[in-house]
Amino acid sequence: GENVEQHPSTLSVQEGDSAVIKCTYSDSASNYFPWYKQELGKGPQLIIDIRSNVGEKKDQRIAVTLNKTAKHFSLHITETQPEDSAVYFCAAAPGFQKLVFGTGTRLLVSP
Amino acid sequence: SQTIHQWPATLVQPVGSPLSLECTVEGTSNPNLYWYRQAAGRGLQLLFYSIGIDQISSEVPQNLSASRPQDRQFILSSKKLLLSDSGFYLCAWTRGPATNEKLFFGSGTQLSVL
Repeated sequence: GENVEQHPSTLSVQEGDSAVIKCTYSDSASNYFPWYKQELGKGPQLIIDIRSNVGEKKDQRIAVTLNKTAKHFSLHITETQPEDSAVYFCAAAPGFQKLVFGTGTRLLVSP
Repeated sequence: SQTIHQWPATLVQPVGSPLSLECTVEGTSNPNLYWYRQAAGRGLQLLFYSIGIDQISSEVPQNLSASRPQDRQFILSSKKLLLSDSGFYLCAWTRGPATNEKLFFGSGTQLSVL
């Protein structure tokens, strides 16, 4: 089945710096790749997603890139702010109903 | 707009006791519904999904079961809880197949089995 690996597990940056989180997937049939942000004690919230027919997608300070050949995709956050501190999850959709999630990255943005 | 409600927010249960977590979705009809579990510091594991009333698919063999008695209601149950059932349980929904539609999560239930 699909396996999604996510790195790093923890990322500390200074406010204003950029942050990059990377994920790799194993199933070449996966065609949908969302990213979720989870704040403490809350459910994950979808922040951006990309489909396999697109190489890059941006939404203000966040962007996602996809390399289908290498089977990896990345989340880029520019001009980080303290409120960006959270756990971020990537996911891949290998089948009709399923999303397989990575293990999460704890991002800490220091003022 | 669509909203998803999940309760309770926190639950402490003794080993061997039963469990019932409830989730409802408002503002849409015939949603696809999901139960995920998140162990401390871990990723999200899909437990069950449902594409319609009384249509439940189980992803992992375990001590838990799910039911969908109404279109927008999804229930996670156990007859006898184990210590290993502790975790953060999340209900989620999509309009259609998860490969085509965005997945939205509820606020979660933190379950502690003691």
